[in-house]
Amino acid sequence: KNEVEQSPQNLTAQEGEFITINCSYSVGISALHWLQQHPGGGIVSLFMLSSGKKKHGRLIATINIQEKHSSLHITASHPRDSAVYICAGLQGAQKLVFGQGTRLTINP
Amino acid sequence: KAGVTQTPRYLIKTRGQQVTLSCSPISGHRSVSWYQQTPGQGLQFLFEYFSETQRNKGNFPGRFSGRQFSNSRSEMNVSTLELGDSALYLCASSLAYRTYNSPLHFGNGTRLTVT
Repeated sequence: KNEVEQSPQNLTAQEGEFITINCSYSVGISALHWLQQHPGGGIVSLFMLSSGKKKHGRLIATINIQEKHSSLHITASHPRDSAVYICAGLQGAQKLVFGQGTRLTINP
Repeated sequence: KAGVTQTPRYLIKTRGQQVTLSCSPISGHRSVSWYQQTPGQGLQFLFEYFSETQRNKGNFPGRFSGRQFSNSRSEMNVSTLELGDSALYLCASSLAYRTYNSPLHFGNGTRLTVT
């Protein structure tokens, strides 16, 4: 079993829809990163959280420590949100364990 | 402020050769970590350096090695290349070590093809 599991693997939605991507993780992971990867490979760190909720623009990330579960929400989705979203669990200081990613496609 | 710079962007090597990839972190960042991304395995952690010392290492064979210089620039080396080493190699830098509030900044990666 992977230490970090993401769902769904693929998600297609219409512009404007509310998007949720889920991430479950195992013991030993102290914090979660949410990353965004566009075609071409560049990765942008969206959030890093160890408790509660963070918001940046239309993006919201939540984490439930007891349930070992995190979600990334996108409100009012837009085609430019199309990307691969990856959650990564932090083991130790900087050792990241990655989920397989969710490929999000937002159609206009 | 310049971002994380990885060189080269693309590289084609032959089985058995060795390769060295370079990563220049954001100015002032002292922690550099390296990752391998393949279609089959996804992203995997290779190693992490802080103050010229390797602090963490992923589950990769000894053919994968790295180092960090006093200016925080880092290199990773892969010896005796195998076809399975074809991947996108990413590095990331962060300001500090052992803090949950220091986000990672990724470079654009080096795409290595082994033929």
